[in-house]
Amino acid sequence: DAGVTQSPTHLIKTRGQQVTLRCSPKSGHDTVSWYQQALGQGPQFIFQYYEEEERQRGNFPDRFSGHQFPNYSSELNVNALLLGDSALYLCASSLGDPNSPLHFGNGTRLTVT
Amino acid sequence: LAKTTQPISMDSYEGQEVNITCSHNNIATNDYITWYQQFPSQGPRFIIQGYKTKVTNEVASLFIPADRKSSTLSLPRVSLSDTAVYYCLVGVTIAGTYKYIFGTGTRLKVLA
Repeated sequence: DAGVTQSPTHLIKTRGQQVTLRCSPKSGHDTVSWYQQALGQGPQFIFQYYEEEERQRGNFPDRFSGHQFPNYSSELNVNALLLGDSALYLCASSLGDPNSPLHFGNGTRLTVT
Repeated sequence: LAKTTQPISMDSYEGQEVNITCSHNNIATNDYITWYQQFPSQGPRFIIQGYKTKVTNEVASLFIPADRKSSTLSLPRVSLSDTAVYYCLVGVTIAGTYKYIFGTGTRLKVLA
């Protein structure tokens, strides 16, 4: 039973570019959340998708957008990359209940130069 | 601004009990408290979850007082492999908006 998988594992981009990160949830899970984790910091909530809709959103600008597909997989898009966007981007899946524990992937390490 | 705070770091010896506390003054009424363990270059891993009083599973216990403004993760007998960063996660309502907030994280170092 595969857990949460994310791709790519590492990515290097230049300021101003756009990036798309991908996530496949754990089997049986229908909810996907995205987090940004800067080096030495705790994860920061970006947004959560359920039934292909953004259900909740953290304090991130509109440059951060997402999508959930009918098979529950998800993408995170970041436009106009800034140096400060360099971080580990974590995807977590869960059941639809807001209190369902999150299952995390190992993240995508994004470096913006 | 709602904050979820934890001690920055703790040291312990193998075989000892370790207690890590998280303060979460703005926890939402119906929200659970969840604790995660994170190793370098990996995603957080679920440890335990609770709503009130005490919860115990095969690896940890979680103590939550009646006011639910804090919680304590208890690791009964730590080993070297428990060296990691530990986070609490709660849902808070800020200006009518529900958000998930991770704690500041506690770096636990277990010594031989």
